[in-house]
Amino acid sequence: DQQVKQNSPSLSVQEGRISILNCDYTNSMFDYFLWYKKYPAEGPTFLISISSIKDKNEDGRFTVFLNKSAKHLSLHIVPSQPGDSAVYFCAAIPNAGGTSYGKLTFGQGTILTVHP
Amino acid sequence: EAQVTQNPRYLITVTGKKLTVTCSQNMNHEYMSWYRQDPGLGLRQIYYSMNVEVTDKGDVPEGYKVSRKEKRNFPLILESPSPNQTSLYFCASRAGTGGMKTQYFGPGTRLLVL
Repeated sequence: DQQVKQNSPSLSVQEGRISILNCDYTNSMFDYFLWYKKYPAEGPTFLISISSIKDKNEDGRFTVFLNKSAKHLSLHIVPSQPGDSAVYFCAAIPNAGGTSYGKLTFGQGTILTVHP
Repeated sequence: EAQVTQNPRYLITVTGKKLTVTCSQNMNHEYMSWYRQDPGLGLRQIYYSMNVEVTDKGDVPEGYKVSRKEKRNFPLILESPSPNQTSLYFCASRAGTGGMKTQYFGPGTRLLVL
């Protein structure tokens, strides 16, 4: 039962263009969302996050959009650069307080390739 | 340098032979977690710990044990490994404040169970 889904296993874009990575979730208890970036042979690194009280969060070239009614979030990278080529994971935290504050559910990941 | 270290980085073992993967962090973080990464499934949380002697199950805890006797260490124990536990394992830690955006991941441990 995959509660966080990234339906596109891979995405290929040209350098300078926009990359849009999508993520859907099914659990309405999720109220905080994150994107991680992962290079081969390394652990994931935090990229950007958004709380459910917002619908957009921007950090430089990276913007995350949240559509709560559709249970959908997306990561936009503009402009895309070859160094952005990596696996991108979205992840979600439930609003259940207590011990579940440590719980984090990931999507399957999307491999982004940015061509020069 | 702030870091999460895991040992060993690579391990080949046989079914049923108990093993431990160690995880240590030098940032005095309260929270620590273990994840496994499998093709097509992404990362799945195995166990997490909110502080010393406080642990809870993630999404896939079956077949694993953890302990948190010291703040800096969070070992993952496979009492009787099976081939379906062949995977890439990541340990992570984060501060009690600042949320998940402060989470640091280790470099990973690749485990093969024959």
